[in-house]
Amino acid sequence: QVQLQESGPGLVKPSQTLSLTCAVSGASITSGDFYWTWIRQPAGKGLEWIGRMYRSGSTHYNSTLRSRVTISLDTSNNRFSLKLTSVTAADTAVYYCARGGLERRNWFDPWGQGTLVTVSS
Amino acid sequence: SYVLIQSPSVSVAPGQTARITCGGNYIGRKSVHWYLQRPGQAPVVVVYDDSDRPSGIPERFSGSKSGNTATLTISRVEAGDEADYYCQVWDSSGDQAVFGGGTKVTVL
Repeated sequence: QVQLQESGPGLVKPSQTLSLTCAVSGASITSGDFYWTWIRQPAGKGLEWIGRMYRSGSTHYNSTLRSRVTISLDTSNNRFSLKLTSVTAADTAVYYCARGGLERRNWFDPWGQGTLVTVSS
Repeated sequence: SYVLIQSPSVSVAPGQTARITCGGNYIGRKSVHWYLQRPGQAPVVVVYDDSDRPSGIPERFSGSKSGNTATLTISRVEAGDEADYYCQVWDSSGDQAVFGGGTKVTVL
C-alpha cells in the first residue's frame, strides 16, 4: 500500500521560501509510470494543482506559480520536495503531496494527509 | 487557461439521487476524474477516467459525460456522502492539471 506523508515548517515569513518534503512508502519514486505531485488548498477554498515531477526529471508547473516553484526528487531517501519562493499571505494553505499517472491516467491517488503552512510575520 | 465549472452546492434527501455537474470546453476529449473530500481530510478519488471506480468505492458512485458536461451521480444517497466533490482534468494545452471549483453536497 502506497502512502505519502508531508513534512515541513508550519509557519513561514513573508518573502521567504516555503520548503516541504513528501516521504513515500510502499513504492519507489524511481519506478513505475507516475508523476510526484503537489497540490494546495487555502482554507475554505478549492484545490489548486502546483506541479509535478517524473522520475526522468521532467517537470510541469502551474502557469501562475511557475516562476516561484521548484519540485525535486530525493531518490536516496525516496521522497520529493517542494520549494516556493517569495511567499505572501496568499500562499497560506494546506499543502498535499500525491501520486499521479501518465496520459489519461492523470488522476491523483493516493494523497498525503496534508500539512498546513501559514505565511505570517 | 482551461476552466472547469461546478455548481457550488447540491442538496439531496437520503435515499435520493445527487447529480454533480462539471462543465468545460471540449471536456468530451478529456479524461475526467472525481474526488470526494470530507472536512479535515485529504481528497479521495471516487471515479477516474470518466466512469471507472477504484476498488472500495461503492457502485452508488458513477460518472458520465455528455457534450461539454461531465456528471458524477450518487445513487441512494447516505448521510456519509455529505462532502465536497471536485472534478479534475489534464489541460494538454497548458500542460497542467485543472480542478473544478468544487460542489458541496448536503444531505437533508
